[in-house]
Amino acid sequence: SQTIHQWPATLVQPVGSPLSLECTVEGTSNPNLYWYRQAAGRGLQLLFYSVGIGQISSEVPQNLSASRPQDRQFILSSKKLLLSDSGFYLCAWKGPRNSPLHFGNGTRLTVT
Amino acid sequence: GQQLNQSPQSMFIQEGEDVSMNCTSSSIFNTWLWYKQDPGEGPVLLIALYKAGELTSNGRLTAQFGITRKDSFLNISASIPSDVGIYFCAGSEYNNNDMRFGAGTRLTVKP
Repeated sequence: SQTIHQWPATLVQPVGSPLSLECTVEGTSNPNLYWYRQAAGRGLQLLFYSVGIGQISSEVPQNLSASRPQDRQFILSSKKLLLSDSGFYLCAWKGPRNSPLHFGNGTRLTVT
Repeated sequence: GQQLNQSPQSMFIQEGEDVSMNCTSSSIFNTWLWYKQDPGEGPVLLIALYKAGELTSNGRLTAQFGITRKDSFLNISASIPSDVGIYFCAGSEYNNNDMRFGAGTRLTVKP
């Protein structure tokens, strides 16, 4: 069966520091991969998605970036965090065509 | 881009009552999904809908894909305390990889 791992679960970082969140999927190949952000009590905002290695689509211009160095690995990064980057970051994967999204357990990021 | 409107934003109900929430989109969707999110966790898929008019049940949950393909609803019958959480609708157009989410419905169930 497929599983998705996301870490760390929580992170507290100072303003201006770099960020690296990692997500890996097991039990499937060539998944679509996604990064969403959820502000407290709010909905899910799509940040990036990838349909293959090295292919990244950005939905929201900001100081975050994403990379997919391997088929089942998706990384969210920032060179300098802002206070507004605080939130709950969710990684997700889906199979081909109209397969549903499956989410990881999220990373709660607090920028201080 | 696609816009999803989910309502209501929140609901406060007594245990045993039925619940209904819905989503509408500005464009035609090929897939509608319903998720539940517990505090501090990722959303979990409840029901997936792939055909206009499709009505699908999962235990006490029932969801329908609207005939116009621009709306969907989720019903929960005989609510229980563990139904508490945030419910999200999500949808995508055919072959569209960017799944969009509604703003969520926060459900509170009073015992």
